[in-house]
Amino acid sequence: QVQLQESGPGLVKPSETLSLTCTVSGGSVSSGSDFWTWIRQPPGRGLEWIGYIHYTGSTSYNTSLKSRVTMSLDTSKDQFSLKLTSVTTADTAVYYCAKEVFWGGYYYDYMDVWGKGTTVTVSS
Amino acid sequence: SSELTQDPAVSVALGQTVRITCQGDSLRSYYASWYQQKPGQAPILVTYYKDNRPSGIPDRFSGSRSGNTASLTITGAQAEDEADYYCNSRDSSGNRVIFGGGTKLTVL
Repeated sequence: QVQLQESGPGLVKPSETLSLTCTVSGGSVSSGSDFWTWIRQPPGRGLEWIGYIHYTGSTSYNTSLKSRVTMSLDTSKDQFSLKLTSVTTADTAVYYCAKEVFWGGYYYDYMDVWGKGTTVTVSS
Repeated sequence: SSELTQDPAVSVALGQTVRITCQGDSLRSYYASWYQQKPGQAPILVTYYKDNRPSGIPDRFSGSRSGNTASLTITGAQAEDEADYYCNSRDSSGNRVIFGGGTKLTVL
């Protein structure tokens, strides 16, 4: 059974770079139909998709964050990572990593595995 | 389209049936998935595709779609169903993921 665990600093200063890693256990990041995803949730608000990376290296990012986001994958460690540059207090949120299963030919997707989430606060 | 619209709040009497809806142009092509989130916890998947449930999700949860609207129906709502519910799908291009704003369900 696949499990995900986020790790990284809980406090980041404004204008600096937020870096998080998600470790996959019980499975492999090299699965064709799986898209390794980052989602965040600001305090008291809804879920916001940040982006995904596929084991082929293909990425897709939220249009509103695209200029500041980079995702990468380490297949040897079964990890994937998020970097968000030039953070502000608006980036304070719980950050989740998740596994999205996407079947394009059948027009559906779902996030079947989620990490517990990690709280990142942007403050000086 | 890149938006999914949900009612902010819905209430249901204990044991009654409630429908939570999600509207968006992407849903004319893509099926929605639904997630339940309780305070301080990560979301969990409750339904996906036409009307599929992961193992462990009670059969009182069901999903459906009509036109540009997806629905999550809880038949015989229980106290433990009180939570926030989110829908998601790929956008109309299929390249990006979108979430609805969430619906807070209160069980009276």
